[in-house]
Amino acid sequence: NAGVMQNPRHLVRRRGQEARLRCSPMKGHSHVYWYRQLPEEGLKFMVYLQKENIIDESGMPKERFSAEFPKEGPSILRIQQVVRGDSAAYFCASSPPDDTGPYEQYFGPGTRLTVT
Amino acid sequence: SQQGEEDPQALSIQEGENATMNCSYKTSINNLQWYRQNSGRGLVHLILIRSNEREKHSGRLRVTLDTSKKSSSLLITASRAADTASYFCATDAAYSGAGSYQLTFGKGTKLSVIP
Repeated sequence: NAGVMQNPRHLVRRRGQEARLRCSPMKGHSHVYWYRQLPEEGLKFMVYLQKENIIDESGMPKERFSAEFPKEGPSILRIQQVVRGDSAAYFCASSPPDDTGPYEQYFGPGTRLTVT
Repeated sequence: SQQGEEDPQALSIQEGENATMNCSYKTSINNLQWYRQNSGRGLVHLILIRSNEREKHSGRLRVTLDTSKKSSSLLITASRAADTASYFCATDAAYSGAGSYQLTFGKGTKLSVIP
């Protein structure tokens, strides 16, 4: 049973370009979460999605960031017009379809975004 | 206010010794989870303890939870060099307006196990 998969593992973008980060949850999982980790920091919650629904995007910046989890295919975190401050590791996690919790989240290896 | 503050920030021990890491948090929680992160890698889920549990074991790991003190500890017994990693506690908030899915992480404890 493959774990959470993320790609690319490393992404370099120039300022102003777009970054697209992809996440495939574990088999059987229908809940996806995105977190951001700055150097020497813990992870910060960004967004929680279920298939075709954004449940909670309270941790996501209001501008330039968007996320989706379509009926088919991976979840996508999209960052438009990247700036140097967007450089970070972005982690995706997934959990089983149990709305009552606890939400035991399984993390992918992360995508390290570097903005030059 | 930040949940999940780990203590100490860094810990260095000899192989075979026990390692204890602590986590304090500020608001009521439903669950507390511990994760390990090797340098430059993703997080590995270690253990989840519910707010109505006081202690949990998994292999060489022992986790305690004291909700009255809003603190948890992770004990790794008979440490190995492969245990070298950063360890994070993650809490969810047990109050309306924030789903219990929303994990809040501390900055972690960097554990170095010297062979």
